[in-house]
Amino acid sequence: NAGVTQTPKFQVLKTGQSMTLQCAQDMNHEYMSWYRQDPGMGLRLIHYSVGAGITDQGEVPNGYNVSRSTTEDFPLRLLSAAPSQTSVYFCASKARSVTFFGQGTRLTVV
Amino acid sequence: GENVEQHPSTLSVQEGDSAVIKCTYSDSASNYFPWYKQELGKRPQLIIDIRSNVGEKKDQRIAVTLNKTAKHFSLHITETQPEDSAVYFCAASNDYQLIWGAGTKLIIKP
Repeated sequence: NAGVTQTPKFQVLKTGQSMTLQCAQDMNHEYMSWYRQDPGMGLRLIHYSVGAGITDQGEVPNGYNVSRSTTEDFPLRLLSAAPSQTSVYFCASKARSVTFFGQGTRLTVV
Repeated sequence: GENVEQHPSTLSVQEGDSAVIKCTYSDSASNYFPWYKQELGKRPQLIIDIRSNVGEKKDQRIAVTLNKTAKHFSLHITETQPEDSAVYFCAASNDYQLIWGAGTKLIIKP
């Protein structure tokens, strides 16, 4: 199993651009989520999904959209990038309480 | 909702000494308490977890204790080594939502 796979690993965007961060898991987990981690800070929940077709907002959802058309994929869309969205983004999936993280995407918005 | 507080934010110990990180939670319905280790530039990884029906769990040099009455749990690392240097996160879960502490930066002094 590859686990949780995120792409890209690094991305630079200009203010106002949009992009999609990809996330896929091959563990058949129902629960998936997206976090952002700012320098020296903890993890803040952006959006989560408890199964295909179901998504909900976390602590910091503004400026982000998600969809969950399949169990495996949970993409995160930045609608109009802002410098405040410069962060490291982690996708995660969970089964039986244990959360597994992807390797992260380091996003810089200039 | 659940709130998790983690202390200290930074902990510096001499190599070979013990380190203790403490977390408190607010929701008595929380029943799962994991600890994650995040090395610089890497993803958080689960190092140990405990469920609410257990008071203590050990895995080699790492142990976690849980006091449900006081709503606090602690991570204990004995005989610290340089590779223990990292940021450690506690979390509390009530089946779906995982609420994270702010993290503790552990520094092992040679």
